[in-house]
Amino acid sequence: AQKITQTQPGMFVQEKEAVTLDCTYDTSDPSYGLFWYKQPSSGEMIFLIYQGSYDQQNATEGRYSLNFQKARKSANLVISASQLGDSAMYFCAMREGPGTASKLTFGTGTRLQVTL
Amino acid sequence: EAGVTQSPTHLIKTRGQQATLRCSPISGHTSVYWYQQALGLGLQFLLWYDEGEERNRGNFPPRFSGRQFPNYSSELNVNALELEDSALYLCASSLSGGTGWSNEQFFGPGTRLTVL
Repeated sequence: AQKITQTQPGMFVQEKEAVTLDCTYDTSDPSYGLFWYKQPSSGEMIFLIYQGSYDQQNATEGRYSLNFQKARKSANLVISASQLGDSAMYFCAMREGPGTASKLTFGTGTRLQVTL
Repeated sequence: EAGVTQSPTHLIKTRGQQATLRCSPISGHTSVYWYQQALGLGLQFLLWYDEGEERNRGNFPPRFSGRQFPNYSSELNVNALELEDSALYLCASSLSGGTGWSNEQFFGPGTRLTVL
């Protein structure tokens, strides 16, 4: 089973509109962290936002917010007031448990295209 | 503050050769991670080094190996190159992954390896 599932290969959004990128995850570990990264065409991965499994409130970072629904195992990224520079690939990732594992497991990504 | 740096930017090799990729983490970060991103795919975890030791490795054959130096920089070696090794190799660093497992990973710009 996929640990991280991103069901939207591509999304279009108009400039200044909000967009939601979907992410569901699968884990039996009670302690985990969820991350969103942006990858522009240059290839570099840019960290956007983090949500811990025990965090009571949804994470927010500027125009980015994470809609965390623990019971549904979803961690959707919401980008408000989209800008042309938001056009990129977006990856959801999970890290399970503290300590020795530490690796990030990534989804297959969603390509977001912001239009005028 | 300088980010994660990787060299070379591009690397072209032929089948059977060996490739060496290098990564310098952000100052103060002791954990270094290597990921492979084949064309059109998400990132696959390769290796994690912390404090000079290999802590975890992904599902890759032994011809993928590496090391971490006392200054926390790291090297990824790929022996007996195969055509399917062509990919973007991304290095990331974080504060110690062992004790601060929720710490975000900061990525470098990547090395694009092409195997002919």
